[in-house]
Amino acid sequence: SQQGEEDPQALSIQEGENATMNCSYKTSINNLQWYRQNSGRGLVHLILIRSNEREKHSGRLRVTLDTSKKSSSLLITASRAADTASYFCATDMNRGSTLGRLYFGRGTQLTVWP
Amino acid sequence: DGGITQSPKYLFRKEGQNVTLSCEQNLNHDAMYWYRQDPGQGLRLIYYSQIVNDFQKGDIAEGYSVSREKKESFPLTVTSAQKNPTAFYLCASTHAGTGNYGYTFGSGTRLTVV
Repeated sequence: SQQGEEDPQALSIQEGENATMNCSYKTSINNLQWYRQNSGRGLVHLILIRSNEREKHSGRLRVTLDTSKKSSSLLITASRAADTASYFCATDMNRGSTLGRLYFGRGTQLTVWP
Repeated sequence: DGGITQSPKYLFRKEGQNVTLSCEQNLNHDAMYWYRQDPGQGLRLIYYSQIVNDFQKGDIAEGYSVSREKKESFPLTVTSAQKNPTAFYLCASTHAGTGNYGYTFGSGTRLTVV
């Protein structure tokens, strides 16, 4: 069953605007990760936030995590046409075992218009 | 440069035929995964492996088989028992451990039944 669900399913913005995508999940997690996928390509890891962290930054990316609401958001600031891609959240529900497996949502399709 | 290589990029399968998708990594990662992606869907886990000669079924293992004879290699066979194999297949790898590592993905194999 799907663990993470992204919202919205699709987002269309102009270059320079900020893009915000949300992810909700159902059970306790070890960490939550965001990935990007360009059309027809593999996924690229963007950022990982642990369950005891509330916010992380990486360049123009800002990720927040609210474990009480079981939700996360990915903010891309000053978006560019090259940011056009699908963005997936993935949750790691590893409960102390030595192998984590990720559960992926259906993704948000972001289109940034020049 | 280290990375994960999937081949072939495109594969066509006739009805009743078994086909094998290749996945090789030189990242010295212990854990490897196979995911299936259908249009508008998230990634669904087929099989995963933490160590050589050991692997576990994921959520949709029926009609698929894998082997892990070498740390670097995790081939996936799509058997004739898989009734709807047309999809985009993604291989990934990561360090084993507490699960606080992102995945590295290959560029995918698109399988089509003809």
